[in-house]
Amino acid sequence: QSALTQPASISGSPGQSITISCTGTSSDVGRYNYVSWFQQHPGKAPKLMIYDVSNRPSGVSNRFSGSKSGNTASLTISGLQAEDESDYYCNSHTSSNTLVFGGGTKLTVL
Amino acid sequence: QVQLVQSGSELKTPGASVKVSCKASGYTFTGHSMNWVRQAPGQGLEWMGYINTINGNPTYAQGFAGRFVFSLDTSVSTAYLQVSSLKAEDTAVYYCARDVNMGALDYWGQGTLVTVSS
Repeated sequence: QSALTQPASISGSPGQSITISCTGTSSDVGRYNYVSWFQQHPGKAPKLMIYDVSNRPSGVSNRFSGSKSGNTASLTISGLQAEDESDYYCNSHTSSNTLVFGGGTKLTVL
Repeated sequence: QVQLVQSGSELKTPGASVKVSCKASGYTFTGHSMNWVRQAPGQGLEWMGYINTINGNPTYAQGFAGRFVFSLDTSVSTAYLQVSSLKAEDTAVYYCARDVNMGALDYWGQGTLVTVSS
């Protein structure tokens, strides 16, 4: 199972919006609405930010939103803040009843 | 509150074995599968597999069958990851994570650093 494809890096200025893509195949992202997004600060455990494509866990800012079109899922962060600078990972359920992660995207807030 | 507390860092020599524990509290242990995720230094997250906490049945990702074994002790709400015949490339932080639904890993342990070096 190949990793999902994410851009290695992305940047934005405070207050702007950015979107991180996560591209899979018709056997994972395209087949199921089971895409999650995680935020990971250096030296910390990942934190669930979005699940089931577009649902936010309790306590996660509504500046974070998720969507999907075909084999590509997306995480949008609006009103960028300095604290959003982090690594972001997507994952998806697969037709083999496994999970697969994306390679990760480093977000820099300029 | 839900907590997953993992055992401490380990330094092992090549060929040795290591067993990492993940003690759950604050919820019904058998209510959710437990996943294991590896993160090599400076690298991304890699899903290793999961264990069904009801029947103890493990599912391993490609590349993690054989030397990697998931197990449980439900009497103490603890999941274990054992890695045998350790190699330098097994050096990584290993995380346990609770799955609430198809990859929605909502609670994570703090991570256990396993260093393999002669």
